[in-house]
Amino acid sequence: DIQMTQSPSSLSASVGDRVTITCRASQSISGFLSWYQQKPGNAPKLLIYAASTLQSGVPSRFSGSGSGTDFTLTITSLQPEDFATYYCQQSYNSPVTFGPGTKVDIK
Amino acid sequence: QVQMVESGGGVVQPGGSLRLSCVASGFTFSSYALHWVRQAPGKGLEWVTSTSYDGSDKDYADSVKGRFTISRDNSKNTLFLQMNSLRREDTALYYCARSPRKTTVTIRFDQWGQGTLVTVSS
Repeated sequence: DIQMTQSPSSLSASVGDRVTITCRASQSISGFLSWYQQKPGNAPKLLIYAASTLQSGVPSRFSGSGSGTDFTLTITSLQPEDFATYYCQQSYNSPVTFGPGTKVDIK
Repeated sequence: QVQMVESGGGVVQPGGSLRLSCVASGFTFSSYALHWVRQAPGKGLEWVTSTSYDGSDKDYADSVKGRFTISRDNSKNTLFLQMNSLRREDTALYYCARSPRKTTVTIRFDQWGQGTLVTVSS
């Protein structure tokens, strides 16, 4: 199975900050990488797929980049509604696997 | 709009069985692959199983293979998860999810239900 890691596991940030989360795969997954946002008590929400394609309806302050084994999710100007946990997920092969999550909370 | 509503969760003893359902609306159910993803309390996300748009292709995580069965009834817009020989480590919130393609290959989950809680405890 492909192992996904994320860093940091948590971070504290202020509204307006630029936030970057890193996701690393244990082997190359080309661009088969998605990012999800999950708020407490809610289901995950797809933000980005194919490493850098913004899901319809997702604000443009979210962006993704990377290929192979290293990927990043960037939030250019953190908004109050962005405080949540973020997960990466690979779909290069089965089983699909998720990263352990990065919790973004208020500084 | 797209809605996916799970039901069937509850408390069950180890070794017991449970059948989850997910009723969907707002999209052409028979055109999409569907999945179950679970989340243990306070933990991350774990893919459980997938079925293709017509139910002809299915895939399972090793942790549930031989114990769980995914199925679908396209005439009723309903996805099922039959869970047998339940273990304490199966305790989780079970989400049904959709991927925007017919097959179970290279999936991303673009729509999710709100989940149904399964607790395996004596």
